[in-house]
Amino acid sequence: NAGVTQTPKFQVLKTGQSMTLQCAQDMNHNSMYWYRQDPGMGLRLIYYSASEGTTDKGEVPNGYNVSRLNKREFSLRLESAAPSQTSVYFCASWDRGTLNTEAFFGQGTRLTVV
Amino acid sequence: SQQGEEDPQALSIQEGENATMNCSYKTSINNLQWYRQNSGRGLVHLILIRSNEREKHSGRLRVTLDTSKKSSSLLITASRAADTASYFCAPLTGGGNKLTFGTGTQLKVEL
Repeated sequence: NAGVTQTPKFQVLKTGQSMTLQCAQDMNHNSMYWYRQDPGMGLRLIYYSASEGTTDKGEVPNGYNVSRLNKREFSLRLESAAPSQTSVYFCASWDRGTLNTEAFFGQGTRLTVV
Repeated sequence: SQQGEEDPQALSIQEGENATMNCSYKTSINNLQWYRQNSGRGLVHLILIRSNEREKHSGRLRVTLDTSKKSSSLLITASRAADTASYFCAPLTGGGNKLTFGTGTQLKVEL
């Protein structure tokens, strides 16, 4: 099992460019999450998908869109990147239906917007 | 859903010493989970304690939960340099779908 796989690992964008961060999990989890982490900070929830076909805003959704493509894949799109979106982005998945289980995280996408 | 607040924000100890970090939360929970993050990598699950449990052990980790005080503590015994990381708690409520985290405790274990 690969767990949670994020692509790309690194990306540099110019202000105004768009890009999509990809996340896939192979654990048949129903819930998936996107977070951003700025230097020295905790993880802030951008969007989440409690189950296939649903998406909801987290704490910092502005400037982002998401798509739950199927049960395995949850993508995060930046339509017009801004320097304030320079951050490390983490995807996570969780079997929300089984409450007493752990979440699994990808290794992160390091995004720099210049 | 809710997020926990970890305390202290930073902790520096010598190798071999014990490290204790705390987590407080606001509303009733089903369980509380602790995660570790090594230097910018993804979070890794350490231990889960259910609301009807008071203490749980896993190797050098000991977690306690006091639901009356809405707090939990994570004790790492005989710390090693490899324990240097940030530690986050995640209190989980039964009805929530969000999985949120505080700012964590940054532990540094020096040789």
